[in-house]
Amino acid sequence: DAMVIQNPRYQVTQFGKPVTLSCSQTLNHNVMYWYQQKSSQAPKLLFHYYDKDFNNEADTPDNFQSRRPNTSFCFLDIRSPGLGDAAMYLCATSNRVLVDTQYFGPGTRLTVL
Amino acid sequence: GQQVMQIPQYQHVQEGEDFTTYCNSSTTLSNIQWYKQRPGGHPVFLIQLVKSGEVKKQKRLTFQFGEAKKNSSLHITATQTTDVGTYFCARNTGNQFYFGTGTSLTVIP
Repeated sequence: DAMVIQNPRYQVTQFGKPVTLSCSQTLNHNVMYWYQQKSSQAPKLLFHYYDKDFNNEADTPDNFQSRRPNTSFCFLDIRSPGLGDAAMYLCATSNRVLVDTQYFGPGTRLTVL
Repeated sequence: GQQVMQIPQYQHVQEGEDFTTYCNSSTTLSNIQWYKQRPGGHPVFLIQLVKSGEVKKQKRLTFQFGEAKKNSSLHITATQTTDVGTYFCARNTGNQFYFGTGTSLTVIP
């Protein structure tokens, strides 16, 4: 059974057109993370939520926002996607912030036309 | 920077050969995690090392944490085609989390 689910698996958007990626979890974990992974690179942490507390990485562009309406769901909003935002976006969860095992979803591959 | 360097970046081995990837940090690590990402897949947690000099084994995989807690290694004995993927170490520093640069392993049958 899938524990971290990401929808859609593939998303195509146009330059400048807002897009929302979604993540849900059945693990009841406190923490949810969003990572960006570009081709042949390591995943890069964008931000995370500990419960409802939002923590933004210092170098995450303002173009990226996140919402966590409840424990199970977390959304990544890209307000004005640029060509450089084309990447795989990975959602992950853990029980404690950063020190515990992180469980990753399958990712959403974003294409920007 | 805060990123952890891994070497080599790429490794091609014949099936049955051993493989090692090294993770190096300029600062002391509180702990280190290792993940494996298959081609087209997502990172999957392998192990976490916490203690200085710690060695842990998972079947053909051996993980080591350096005495100074500044480096770590993953060694695979007698590689199989199922070992193909990118191996990342990862560190957390307070409220930040960084993946290493990764080592991409190709196993030639």
